[in-house]
Amino acid sequence: QKEVEQDPGPLSVPEGAIVSLNCTYSNSAFQYFMWYRQYSRKGPELLMYTYSSGNKEDGRFTAQVDKSSKYISLFIRDSQPSDSATYLCAMRGGSARQLTFGSGTQLTVLP
Amino acid sequence: GAVVSQHPSRVICKSGTSVKIECRSLDFQATTMFWYRQFPKKSLMLMATSNEGSKATYEQGVEKDKFLINHASLTLSTLTVTSAHPEDSSFYICSARSDKGHSNTGELFFGEGSRLTVL
Repeated sequence: QKEVEQDPGPLSVPEGAIVSLNCTYSNSAFQYFMWYRQYSRKGPELLMYTYSSGNKEDGRFTAQVDKSSKYISLFIRDSQPSDSATYLCAMRGGSARQLTFGSGTQLTVLP
Repeated sequence: GAVVSQHPSRVICKSGTSVKIECRSLDFQATTMFWYRQFPKKSLMLMATSNEGSKATYEQGVEKDKFLINHASLTLSTLTVTSAHPEDSSFYICSARSDKGHSNTGELFFGEGSRLTVL
């Protein structure tokens, strides 16, 4: 079993739809949770990060962490074609320096 | 956000030659940088952790004599692919975390990546 599981997709949605991206994990030591967006042939860029359980909102993006279920989500409201990218979840424990990544979900928002 | 610059963005080389890729943190100091490899439509695979002033820590299965890492200063790490072969063709990405401020949040900033093609 992988430490972090993420549905690779691909996921296609119409413009304006609400997108839900998810990851599950097995390591209860993970405390920091991140979402990265990666456009084709580019490096990942940090989109959202949260510490421990809870929600965090930034514009059209909402990140949720449920540590009891070992489940994290990223919601994109009013999705745009420019949101088309691969979304990677990532997480680490308190003292760890490196991140553990999900496999990434490829999202296409159709105009 | 913090900027990590990676150079070159694309490189094509002949089999048997060596290629050096640079990773610079432009507006922060980074004691630790990370090197990843990414295959098409796959996630990031951590190759090694680069530590300023000391030897890099390689992940299992990564040949340290093949992928030489030098972290000579707090803002620069280099990855040299030695005696490159076509199977080394890949997208190589570096990342860095600031030594100050955000170090506890886990924020990693990534370079733009370097696409290596070995003929």
